[in-house]
Amino acid sequence: AQTVTQSQPEMSVQEAETVTLSCTYDTSESNYYLFWYKQPPSRQMILVIRQEAYKQQNATENRFSVNFQKAAKSFSLKISDSQLGDTAMYFCAFMKMRAASKLTFGTGTRLQVTL
Amino acid sequence: GAGVSQSPRYKVAKRGQDVALRCDPISGHVSLFWYQQALGQGPEFLTYFQNEAQLDKSGLPSDRFFAERPEGSVSTLKIQRTQQEDSAVYLCASSLQGREKLFFGSGTQLSVL
Repeated sequence: AQTVTQSQPEMSVQEAETVTLSCTYDTSESNYYLFWYKQPPSRQMILVIRQEAYKQQNATENRFSVNFQKAAKSFSLKISDSQLGDTAMYFCAFMKMRAASKLTFGTGTRLQVTL
Repeated sequence: GAGVSQSPRYKVAKRGQDVALRCDPISGHVSLFWYQQALGQGPEFLTYFQNEAQLDKSGLPSDRFFAERPEGSVSTLKIQRTQQEDSAVYLCASSLQGREKLFFGSGTQLSVL
């Protein structure tokens, strides 16, 4: 079974600064996907970024980038130029490549962006 | 529709009552998923449909939980004889085929008193 661990329950960052959210996972699979999802108070989960494990290049999406370390089973999210609208819960998630999109989520990190 | 729609947004039930939660996926999406999110936790997988076929129900916590998608579009998650531990947000998600981007609804928050 897969497990996803987020060890930072809460993080705070000032507007325009950079913050990194940590995630580690455990799996015996060699091919899989990793995701970061954002959940604002509206409760709707929004995909932030996705990484395929077979790709060595770290994924980037505008201000969001990841540091994927496959051997260490680490998948951190870096948010640059933080904005007030980034305030939300952030969940790291794992999906086997050969299965339909059955996601295994971590417990989340609450990010607060302050003025 | 424009997105995944779930209703009701909030549901309060007395312990022992039956409830039904509805999910309207994005039109044309073949795959539909239900997740349960307890307070302060990440979502946990409940069940998965491909069209009308329920291909995986390994996450349903007990036989009080039942899900259906009879015509391959709208899905209903039914919980019989609700218990306090069933209190959670129930999220529905859909995708075109199953491994592409998942689109989530805003969930139904169920409170069992």
